[in-house]
Amino acid sequence: DAKTTQPNSMESNEEEPVHLPCNHSTISGTDYIHWYRQLPSQGPEYVIHGLTSNVNNRMASLAIAEDRKSSTLILHRATLRDAAVYYCILRDPNQAGTALIFGKGTTLSVSS
Amino acid sequence: NAGVTQTPKFRVLKTGQSMTLLCAQDMNHEYMYWYRQDPGMGLRLIHYSVGEGTTAKGEVPDGYNVSRLKKQNFLLGLESAAPSQTSVYFCASSDADQPQHFGDGTRLSIL
Repeated sequence: DAKTTQPNSMESNEEEPVHLPCNHSTISGTDYIHWYRQLPSQGPEYVIHGLTSNVNNRMASLAIAEDRKSSTLILHRATLRDAAVYYCILRDPNQAGTALIFGKGTTLSVSS
Repeated sequence: NAGVTQTPKFRVLKTGQSMTLLCAQDMNHEYMYWYRQDPGMGLRLIHYSVGEGTTAKGEVPDGYNVSRLKKQNFLLGLESAAPSQTSVYFCASSDADQPQHFGDGTRLSIL
């Protein structure tokens, strides 16, 4: 699996937008970009994923660079409940059933 | 909605004892996984299964065994627990290339 690079930590204020960056310069043409988050004392939770086009769902938006070497997870209005570790992970669907490769992720702190 | 349920949630063992962690999923998923997470680290894959009756090794399989006798259950066994196996264990399930669904973890301490 190709490697991703994320900042160790970020801070935000409640109700402000948050942009979490991820670099993946060695991404292959078949890799999807997945984001998971892990709230304190819980298991990881799927957030969003995409291939080339920007994606939106009820939790977040995913903006993917045109060259696909980087992406940004966007939380439109941060809440205290969004404080978590966010993981950017590349997955090749042709390797279905294989593990997610978790790095250290970005620890997001949200202040009221 | 139960999703992925892990049993037990907490356990303390003495070195050399054995135990089995149970993972149950009610989503009819083909794939199931066992990960461990050490403090300040991401998750690492121990073993996984792509269907009933099949298992395969992950990144850190030593000291663990698994069984998938029923599609909905995936068991992780420690034959002779060691302090290095103190960790939080997460089970997950999925269908093919779909997102993985995780349980809330089992916190295991080995003295």
